[in-house]
Amino acid sequence: DAGITQSPRHKVTETGTPVTLRCHQTENHRYMYWYRQDPGHGLRLIHYSYGVKDTDKGEVSDGYSVSRSKTEDFLLTLESATSSQTSVYFCAISPTSTQDTEAFFGQGTRLTVV
Amino acid sequence: GENVEQHPSTLSVQEGDSAVIKCTYSDSASNYFPWYKQELGKRPQLIIDIRSNVGEKKDQRIAVTLNKTAKHFSLHITETQPEDSAVYFCAATVGTASKLTFGTGTRLQVTL
Repeated sequence: DAGITQSPRHKVTETGTPVTLRCHQTENHRYMYWYRQDPGHGLRLIHYSYGVKDTDKGEVSDGYSVSRSKTEDFLLTLESATSSQTSVYFCAISPTSTQDTEAFFGQGTRLTVV
Repeated sequence: GENVEQHPSTLSVQEGDSAVIKCTYSDSASNYFPWYKQELGKRPQLIIDIRSNVGEKKDQRIAVTLNKTAKHFSLHITETQPEDSAVYFCAATVGTASKLTFGTGTRLQVTL
């Protein structure tokens, strides 16, 4: 498996509190992504990064921000968590080569907002 | 943006039978179509993929076909086994940023 770890694996937080999820990779891949997975919706892209300090929005970015200060770390922050953000969050990474776009996923973080 | 539709949402087959899952996409510029398998409580894992310059690809019991004109692609699993039971996701992506747009998933149940 690709060297990608997410932390924490599980978190319960209260509405209105800030939450930060971490994705760490040891593969030196250029691209990193945050997806959320909800029943009936599959996986939806929240934000992605194409290099250090280079990020862009995905399909469902409202209420989320990201930062990437090092190649290996991609942080997802919920500034003020809401119950609609209860979900399973997956980080993914892709190699540098434009000819190889396979994405490798982390183990996921189950976030519950109460 | 890209939109991917996936059918059926659930599929039950007997062991040894074949299973087919179909997806359609909206953006004709999409050029990469992976399929992911996700077992309960686990991460999605790539099982096969196809690029837009290829019409069919096989890997043992699984195959994927792509029809660019109709903008649809399908996953075929032959001689299904109980360990094939999982949720399968199709996806499509455009360009070099590898942003995947996923279908909503198919829950495959292989019964004995």
